[in-house]
Amino acid sequence: QKEVEQNSGPLSVPEGAIASLNCTYSDRGSQSFFWYRQYSGKSPELIMSIYSNGDQEDGRFTAQLNKASQYVSLLIRDSQPSDSATYLCAPRGDSSYKLIFGSGTRLLVRP
Amino acid sequence: DAGVTQSPTHLIKTRGQQVTLRCSPKSGHDTVSWYQQALGQGPQFIFQYYEEEERQRGNFPDRFSGHQFPNYSSELNVNALLLGDSALYLCASSFSQGPPQHFGDGTRLSIL
Repeated sequence: QKEVEQNSGPLSVPEGAIASLNCTYSDRGSQSFFWYRQYSGKSPELIMSIYSNGDQEDGRFTAQLNKASQYVSLLIRDSQPSDSATYLCAPRGDSSYKLIFGSGTRLLVRP
Repeated sequence: DAGVTQSPTHLIKTRGQQVTLRCSPKSGHDTVSWYQQALGQGPQFIFQYYEEEERQRGNFPDRFSGHQFPNYSSELNVNALLLGDSALYLCASSFSQGPPQHFGDGTRLSIL
């Protein structure tokens, strides 16, 4: 079992729709969770952080965390073609500085 | 304000050689983390440097070593290069215990 599992996609959604990206993790000690966006040929950029169960919203992005289910998700509302990228989920364990990245989900937003 | 800068951008080496990659963190950041990213995979943590010490290390062999200088810049050294070391090497900077916020553009290392 991989430490962090993400559907590789591509997830294809029409412009204006809600894109839902999911991630499961195996380390129950994970305390912090991060979502990174990586455009093709570019480096990752941090877009969302979540530390406690529930929702964390920032503009069109909402991160959701359920530690009991070891599940974290990212919702992108009003998806735009510019959101087309690979989204990487990265939990971090308690007292750890190491992020464990999933392989990412490729999102395609159709105009 | 310059972000994270890495050099060189591309490098071609042969098996058995040694390589040094360099990273300058974003201004105000004191922590540097190094990641290896194979094609189609997420980045894998190599190690993190803080206050000129290796603070945490991932599951990489001793062939991978690093250093952090007083100005917070960092080097990644890889000895006895293997074909499997071909990857994109990313440097990320952050402040103290925060998550990597800013990644450099990476160094693409190809081993022939």
